[in-house]
Amino acid sequence: GENVEQHPSTLSVQEGDSAVIKCTYSDSASNYFPWYKQELGKGPQLIIDIRSNVGEKKDQRIAVTLNKTAKHFSLHITETQPEDSAVYFCAASIGGGSYIPTFGRGTSLIVHP
Amino acid sequence: ETGVTQTPRHLVMGMTNKKSLKCEQHLGHNAMYWYKQSAKKPLELMFVYSLEERVENNSVPSRFSPECPNSSHLFLHLHTLQPEDSALYLCASSRDSQTTEAFFGQGTRLTVV
Repeated sequence: GENVEQHPSTLSVQEGDSAVIKCTYSDSASNYFPWYKQELGKGPQLIIDIRSNVGEKKDQRIAVTLNKTAKHFSLHITETQPEDSAVYFCAASIGGGSYIPTFGRGTSLIVHP
Repeated sequence: ETGVTQTPRHLVMGMTNKKSLKCEQHLGHNAMYWYKQSAKKPLELMFVYSLEERVENNSVPSRFSPECPNSSHLFLHLHTLQPEDSALYLCASSRDSQTTEAFFGQGTRLTVV
């Protein structure tokens, strides 16, 4: 089955800096890659996603890149703010059939004011 | 608010108890999911229901018993649990099992003593 590795497990940055979280996947058939943000006491919430026919996608301060050849994808957050502090999960799935994502272990992002 | 509500938010139970977790969504979704979230581990998919029929059961011990009486409600019945079952149990829903975006509830923090 699919295996998703996520790094780093913890990331500490100063407000205004950029943050990058990286994930790799094992199944070349995976073609949908969502990112979820989980704030303290809440469930995960989808923040951005990318499909395998696209190399990069941006939404304001967040962007995701995908390298299908290397089977890795990354989340980039620019101009970080304290409210960006949360646990971020990447996931991979084989869409088109039953969408069941495989999640990474999560990255705890801490943004210091 | 994601539109997915879980109760209770916190639950402490003994190993001989029987309890149930409840999940409710009024988003008109047809697929519902139970996930287990343990510290430092990826989200683990437990069960998937599509149109009230179970379509996925990831080798979950029989001490966890799901029930989906209608497309808006999902239960997880618990009995004779072990301390290692202590975790955050998350419910999610999506339009259908082939839809990419899942909406998560806030979770039930379960402690088995």
